[in-house]
Amino acid sequence: NAGVTQTPKFQVLKTGQSMTLQCAQDMNHNSMYWYRQDPGMGLRLIYYSASEGTTDKGEVPNGYNVSRLNKREFSLRLESAAPSQTSVYFCASRSYSGNTIYFGEGSWLTVV
Amino acid sequence: GENVEQHPSTLSVQEGDSAVIKCTYSDSASNYFPWYKQELGKGPQLIIDIRSNVGEKKDQRIAVTLNKTAKHFSLHITETQPEDSAVYFCAASRDSGGYQKVTFGTGTKLQVIP
Repeated sequence: NAGVTQTPKFQVLKTGQSMTLQCAQDMNHNSMYWYRQDPGMGLRLIYYSASEGTTDKGEVPNGYNVSRLNKREFSLRLESAAPSQTSVYFCASRSYSGNTIYFGEGSWLTVV
Repeated sequence: GENVEQHPSTLSVQEGDSAVIKCTYSDSASNYFPWYKQELGKGPQLIIDIRSNVGEKKDQRIAVTLNKTAKHFSLHITETQPEDSAVYFCAASRDSGGYQKVTFGTGTKLQVIP
């Protein structure tokens, strides 16, 4: 049981490049999330998917897009990376009936 | 929207002493308050949580208290050990149309000095 798996773990991008962060969970959870973590800012919600087939903007969605590919997978895409998107990104999931949010190990992204 | 403030941002204690981290929230509709521990290079993990109908909850060396009237809740760690060194996040959560809206605090970096 791997929990929440996200790839890649580390990535360096040049300004303007695009990339997709992949996330998969094997806990049969309905809800999935993408957060970014910056020093002194805590965890801020980028996008979430309450259930398969739905996605909604969180607190800081600008510059990102998401796809809920199926119940297991939720990807985050940066279409044109900017230095302000240098951050640690966490994917997370939660069951419909439970309260606990389970986080992946994080993806460290640097945009130069 | 909900606003969660967390203090202190850093905390150093001697091994064996107690550590207290405090959070306040603004939305009276919040009804679930989890605490997460994040070790270096890892994702946050739930360590304890409390619902709004409970004033205190304890699990071995950690406890959480909630004051709904004052809208604040606290994490207490007793007999601290070096492995307690980590970043701790509080959060306030409420149901919103079938989706649980969660707002995190900014984190407290706890250092336990052997």
